[in-house]
Amino acid sequence: NAGVTQTPKFRVLKTGQSMTLLCAQDMNHEYMYWYRQDPGMGLRLIHYSVGEGTTAKGEVPDGYNVSRLKKQNFLLGLESAAPSQTSVYFCASRVSGRYYNEQFFGPGTRLTVL
Amino acid sequence: DQQVKQNSPSLSVQEGRISILNCDYTNSMFDYFLWYKKYPAEGPTFLISISSIKDKNEDGRFTVFLNKSAKHLSLHIVPSQPGDSAVYFCAAGDQTGANNLFFGTGTRLTVIP
Repeated sequence: NAGVTQTPKFRVLKTGQSMTLLCAQDMNHEYMYWYRQDPGMGLRLIHYSVGEGTTAKGEVPDGYNVSRLKKQNFLLGLESAAPSQTSVYFCASRVSGRYYNEQFFGPGTRLTVL
Repeated sequence: DQQVKQNSPSLSVQEGRISILNCDYTNSMFDYFLWYKKYPAEGPTFLISISSIKDKNEDGRFTVFLNKSAKHLSLHIVPSQPGDSAVYFCAAGDQTGANNLFFGTGTRLTVIP
């Protein structure tokens, strides 16, 4: 099993450009998450999904959109990138119904917006 | 407003000694807590967890202690090894909604050989 994979690993964008980050998991997990990690801020939840076709906002959703058309994929979109979106983005997934809520993380995507 | 806080950005410990990483939280609704470990250029990986009905959970060299009245938890690593050098994140959640986690800012542990 590959676990959780993220594409691309690195990306540089200019202000105003758009892009989509892809997360894929092969563990048949119901729940998927997008986080961003910034220095001194820890991991903050952007959006999440509790199943195919469903999405919900997390703590910092502004400027991002997501889609979960297939159970194994969770896409994060930036319609008009801003320098404030420079960050490391992590995707995670987990099974439903587990009390201790362990999430499995991908390796991250480092995004720089100039 | 940060609901989970790790006030020590870094910690250095000699190999073989005990490492103690601390975490404080503000939300009394949190009922389970997790520690994740992160190496550079990798995603966080789950390390150990504890439910609010317990005050201690042990897994090999790793022990997590929970003090609910103080809203404080700590991770003890004994003995510390150079391979333990990483960033450690504390996370907390509750059983409402989608069971989302709130993460602390992380503590970078360096174990000196």
